[in-house]
Amino acid sequence: DQQVKQNSPSLSVQEGRISILNCDYTNSMFDYFLWYKKYPAEGPTFLISISSIKDKNEDGRFTVFLNKSAKHLSLHIVPSQPGDSAVYFCAAPPTYGGATNKLIFGTGTLLAVQP
Amino acid sequence: ETGVTQSPTHLIKTRGQQVTLRCSSQSGHNTVSWYQQALGQGPQFIFQYYREEENGRGNFPPRFSGLQFPNYSSELNVNALELDDSALYLCASSSPGQGRSPLHFGNGTRLTVT
Repeated sequence: DQQVKQNSPSLSVQEGRISILNCDYTNSMFDYFLWYKKYPAEGPTFLISISSIKDKNEDGRFTVFLNKSAKHLSLHIVPSQPGDSAVYFCAAPPTYGGATNKLIFGTGTLLAVQP
Repeated sequence: ETGVTQSPTHLIKTRGQQVTLRCSSQSGHNTVSWYQQALGQGPQFIFQYYREEENGRGNFPPRFSGLQFPNYSSELNVNALELDDSALYLCASSSPGQGRSPLHFGNGTRLTVT
């Protein structure tokens, strides 16, 4: 049972345009979400997070939106840069208030930003 | 500040053999988690160690075991290797005292079982 789903395996965007990566979840007890970025031959690196008490969190070019009623979150990257090309994972702790060292990950979306 | 380091980077083993993977946590982090990332999948939580004891386990059989040492470094041991154990194994460290701080991952060990 995949509790965190990323239905788009890949996304291609032109440099300077917006990238939108989507994530759906099934468990309404999830209260915290994280996005990780992974380059080939490297481990995932933390990008941005959002608590369920918020519907938006912004950090520079990266913004995460949370729609609790739809159990959906999205990561917006504006403007996209070639260095953003990587696999992006959505993740959540499996229990309400759970620690962020035990995470359920989605299957990832490969973002390719074309120069 | 040193990050999470893992060794070896790549490993090839034969079905039925045993393997040990090693991890040094980031400076100041006392909790280590291990994840398995199969091809085309996201990382899956194997288990976590805190104060040298297992503190949480995912849906993995007992042939996956681990250790944490007083310096917070850790080992992942897998016995009776199966072909499906071929994956990237990621170690991550964190410091629970810092609230919901994100995990810091190492670059992983690529295990191939033939």
